Amino acid sequence: EVQLVESGGGLVQPGGSLRLSCAASGFTVNTNYMSWVRQAPGKGLEWVSIIYSGGSTSYADSVKGRFTISRDNSKNTLFLQMNSLRADDTAVYYCVRGRSGYYYDYWGQGTLVTVSS
Amino acid sequence: QSALTQPPSASGSPGQSVTISCTGTSSDVGAYNYVSWYQQHPGKAPKLMIYEVSKRPSGVPDRFSGSKSGNTASLTVSGLQAEDEAAYYCNSYAGSNNLWVFGGGTKLTVL
Repeated sequence: EVQLVESGGGLVQPGGSLRLSCAASGFTVNTNYMSWVRQAPGKGLEWVSIIYSGGSTSYADSVKGRFTISRDNSKNTLFLQMNSLRADDTAVYYCVRGRSGYYYDYWGQGTLVTVSS
Repeated sequence: QSALTQPPSASGSPGQSVTISCTGTSSDVGAYNYVSWYQQHPGKAPKLMIYEVSKRPSGVPDRFSGSKSGNTASLTVSGLQAEDEAAYYCNSYAGSNNLWVFGGGTKLTVL
């Protein structure tokens, strides 16, 4: 059974950093592309970042230069390092598995990141 | 990376059909057959309902169907049921630069 379990969310001050983790089971993260998608409170979904099976990465303009996506194949875990956090980064962050038809078939339960002083 | 355009709300009575539109551009919806739809109940993670414009994952009722014409994709829910009340989001691949773009979401109410 495919499962994605995020952790690492919490309250952080503006300008601070946070590292999100997503433990995967039922498949291997390095044979699929993996993404982070976020949802601000009461708002819609926003794609944040992707890491392909080959290791290349890409980011939404809103987080480029501040966020870094990575994975640990030995732990079958996806990460999102978030630096220089701003209030508008406040959101639930979902870890998602992507498929070759450019869609997301499995979503984690999400982890809440709140950026506030 | 502009969002796709969806109506903020839609509604229908049990047993009726409702169609939700998702309008993009020739760079995303119109360029690729990679439109997907997600259902989200309050406080829950989104769930894949349609992928590659009109394909249904295993377990999704055939009451849900998708289509596309030009730059506009559509999700139709037939035979509305109470449990279909949720927010629905469309998503499209937008090429190697912009990658993915979501719609703003449509809140479907079953009257």
